[in-house]
Amino acid sequence: QVQLVQSGAEVKKPGASVKVSCMASGYTFISYYIHWVRQAPGQGLEWMGIFNPNGDDTDYAQKFQGRVTLTRDTSTRTVYMELSSLRSEDTALYYCARSGGNSNAFDYWGQGTLVTVSS
Amino acid sequence: SFVLTQPPSVSVAPGQTARISCGGDNIGSKSVHWYQQKPGQAPVLVVYGDTDRPSGLPERFSGSNSENTATLIITRVEDGDEADYYCQVWDVSADQDVLFGGGTKLTVL
Repeated sequence: QVQLVQSGAEVKKPGASVKVSCMASGYTFISYYIHWVRQAPGQGLEWMGIFNPNGDDTDYAQKFQGRVTLTRDTSTRTVYMELSSLRSEDTALYYCARSGGNSNAFDYWGQGTLVTVSS
Repeated sequence: SFVLTQPPSVSVAPGQTARISCGGDNIGSKSVHWYQQKPGQAPVLVVYGDTDRPSGLPERFSGSNSENTATLIITRVEDGDEADYYCQVWDVSADQDVLFGGGTKLTVL
């Protein structure tokens, strides 16, 4: 079955960077895009960026340009999201999600990774 | 830039029909997807491509999309449907590829 399994919670200080992983299984890795979506406490969903495992293409929301980087390790079927220059407003649950196939909807999601930024 | 507008909350009695709107300029020209999110859980796709249901989802969930409003329709509402619901579109703009609505809290009375 399709699964996206994310790394565990992180606590970081302001100004630091965080790298969250998303390991895919149960489907052809290069056939689907991986997105990163975050959700601040009590808030809605916010799209951050997209990664195409078939070619390494990326695109980021303008809000995160210059601070977010998406990469992959094909051998482990893992996509990474690195966010730099962290500030308290970056405290949120970070989700990876898959899109592709016929509909381009986000049909599978990871369990979420809580990133807390605090001094 | 393109904006998706959802009501913050919708309330409905059990057994009744809930309609959650998602407004946007000419949204009828786009393909709209809907997600359900229960507390402490990741979002789950409930409707894609305006009207289609993922396999395994109850037929009670459906959608429509025309002109400036897309709608998620949940018939015979149950207590377990209480959740936040988000609409989503792809909008290749200068700012970003993907947009979510602000979310609607569905309360079952």
